[in-house]
Amino acid sequence: SYVLTQPPSVSVAPGQTARITCGGNNIGSKSVHWYQQKPGQAPVLVVYDDSDRPSGIPERFSGSNSGNTATLTISRVEAGDEADYYCQVWDSSSENWVFGGGTKLTVL
Amino acid sequence: EVQLVESGGGLVQPGRSLRLSCAASGFTFDDYAMHWVRQAPGKGLEWVSGISWNSGSIGYADSVKGRFTISRDNAKNSLYLQMNSLRAEDTALYYCAKESGGGRGAYFDYWGQGTLVTVSS
Repeated sequence: SYVLTQPPSVSVAPGQTARITCGGNNIGSKSVHWYQQKPGQAPVLVVYDDSDRPSGIPERFSGSNSGNTATLTISRVEAGDEADYYCQVWDSSSENWVFGGGTKLTVL
Repeated sequence: EVQLVESGGGLVQPGRSLRLSCAASGFTFDDYAMHWVRQAPGKGLEWVSGISWNSGSIGYADSVKGRFTISRDNAKNSLYLQMNSLRAEDTALYYCAKESGGGRGAYFDYWGQGTLVTVSS
């Protein structure tokens, strides 16, 4: 089955840029979606189809996808961005939706 | 406003059954595929099962195939998950999620708050 690999943790100072990666075999050929989950809350979609933002999501959140790596970029990081972030794709071979293991973003 | 409200979770012994429900409102329920996603305590997200708008297409994760059954009642705007032969490793918070995008680009644009299932003797 298809595997998505995320770093367990990323740390960044307020105001700086955080980049969270999601690795997968030829992931650039798939549509990648990103979710933010704060403690005790349900996940929230922050980026879909590699780089589109749902309404209400700040422009500071952006995404890219090429080759074997997709990236969620959070510019001008704020304390409120501290959360777990998950990437997700549809795997046509297994006909399953697949999530990455998640990355905990810490704002220093 | 889209709302998804799960119910039916609880403490159950290994080998027993449980049925989860998800009540949907704020959108045209029978226009969208729906899914169940779970999260074990302190762990990541795991897709469990999905069902198309007309129940014509259904899928399961290998971890639950043959034990769980997803269904929906469009007249009642409700999604269900029948869980049989429960195991300790099924212990998790179960989320109901609405699909959007369609096809290979499908994603989950709304989630409920989840219902907790604990499998223990």
